[in-house]
Amino acid sequence: DAGVIQSPRHEVTEMGQEVTLRCKPISGHDYLFWYRQTMMRGLELLIYFNNNVPIDDSGMPEDRFSAKMPNASFSTLKIQPSEPRDSAVYFCASSLGGMGEAFFGQGTRLTVV
Amino acid sequence: GENVEQHPSTLSVQEGDSAVIKCTYSDSASNYFPWYKQELGKGPQLIIDIRSNVGEKKDQRIAVTLNKTAKHFSLHITETQPEDSAVYFCAARIQGAQKLVFGQGTRLTINP
Repeated sequence: DAGVIQSPRHEVTEMGQEVTLRCKPISGHDYLFWYRQTMMRGLELLIYFNNNVPIDDSGMPEDRFSAKMPNASFSTLKIQPSEPRDSAVYFCASSLGGMGEAFFGQGTRLTVV
Repeated sequence: GENVEQHPSTLSVQEGDSAVIKCTYSDSASNYFPWYKQELGKGPQLIIDIRSNVGEKKDQRIAVTLNKTAKHFSLHITETQPEDSAVYFCAARIQGAQKLVFGQGTRLTINP
């Protein structure tokens, strides 16, 4: 398996624009997690899904953030409108069963100017 | 909720020496403690984990110890090599929950 695949790897956008980050989990994994990494706050869990259903979105910072998982092989994290403080590296991870090892993607480095 | 503290934030050791990174957690219901290594430009990768029913686990040059009473766990790397240079994260997961809470990370530098 190619592992967790995220796109794009880098994204630079202007404040106020919509940003969509994409993730393809490892085939067969039933849990998908979205994390945000910043120097100040480290790795924070934003939301996670089980069998395509959102289970816990308590980490989503604001209504500007939304996530979807329309099928088992694809998820998106959308920020609308984006703000400079959203600049961070966003990681997607997947696991088989909630107790299994979480495999991380390469991340998307988002810069909002 | 769970809170994980990690120390030190940076660590520099000579090649061949040992490195130790320590973490404490707050929720006694946590029962799974993984360690991740993150290299520049990459996502975190699991290197070793331990569950609360054991006190120590080894995998070649890497070992993890867990003290449930004191609620702390440590990563030990022996005979360090330049390729060990990276950021290391500890994490904890509460029994019955699926989400990991991460420490702030330790930037380990191995000096040749």
